[in-house]
Amino acid sequence: DTAVSQTPKYLVTQMGNDKSIKCEQNLGHDTMYWYKQDSKKFLKIMFSYNNKELIINETVPNRFSPKSPDKAHLNLHINSLELGDSAVYFCASSQGPGGTGTDTQYFGPGTRLTVL
Amino acid sequence: AQKVTQAQTEISVVEKEDVTLDCVYETRDTTYYLFWYKQPPSGELVFLIRRNSFDEQNEISGRYSWNFQKSTSSFNFTITASQVVDSAVYFCALIPNSGYSTLTFGKGTMLLVSP
Repeated sequence: DTAVSQTPKYLVTQMGNDKSIKCEQNLGHDTMYWYKQDSKKFLKIMFSYNNKELIINETVPNRFSPKSPDKAHLNLHINSLELGDSAVYFCASSQGPGGTGTDTQYFGPGTRLTVL
Repeated sequence: AQKVTQAQTEISVVEKEDVTLDCVYETRDTTYYLFWYKQPPSGELVFLIRRNSFDEQNEISGRYSWNFQKSTSSFNFTITASQVVDSAVYFCALIPNSGYSTLTFGKGTMLLVSP
């Protein structure tokens, strides 16, 4: 029944490790997003995919690599984790891309990443 | 570039009080959409409302109401008769209606409703 789901909910890891976060939506939406929420609660877009194609790539270190195997899934892989990567990562989806009038975004529950 | 300002960092009220959360935005686009999201202590982000820049009618949904004023670039959110369950961080956001745009969030207002 869940619209946008993410796994895992919590991720604790050591500096230098590689980790992945998975996201799935069952809303039939074409567009998916990754956001980062820092310790001050500020939300910033990282990536957006539309129909499996990358359409937005904000200034994010290339240690972060999104992958969209199909329209319903958008995963985030992070290499060589650093202390500053500690944050809550949110996946979201919308019917269409931002700015098209079908862009109400529905968010997943978030993944709290802690890098030690 | 877009900018969304939520000047109130934190608001504390007692249950049953009315409270207004302010949102002021800047954009050069003539058409855009405005949003409010709620983030309760459990952490998820919950969509509350989406507003088209062409539609300045106020909206009411139960105890929630929104006042959109293009002349002052504001999209304020009022909770009437607040309840403890309203305690959350509330985010205002904007997206222009052009190209592949991104959602710009304000920094959020933390609302604490005490019994």
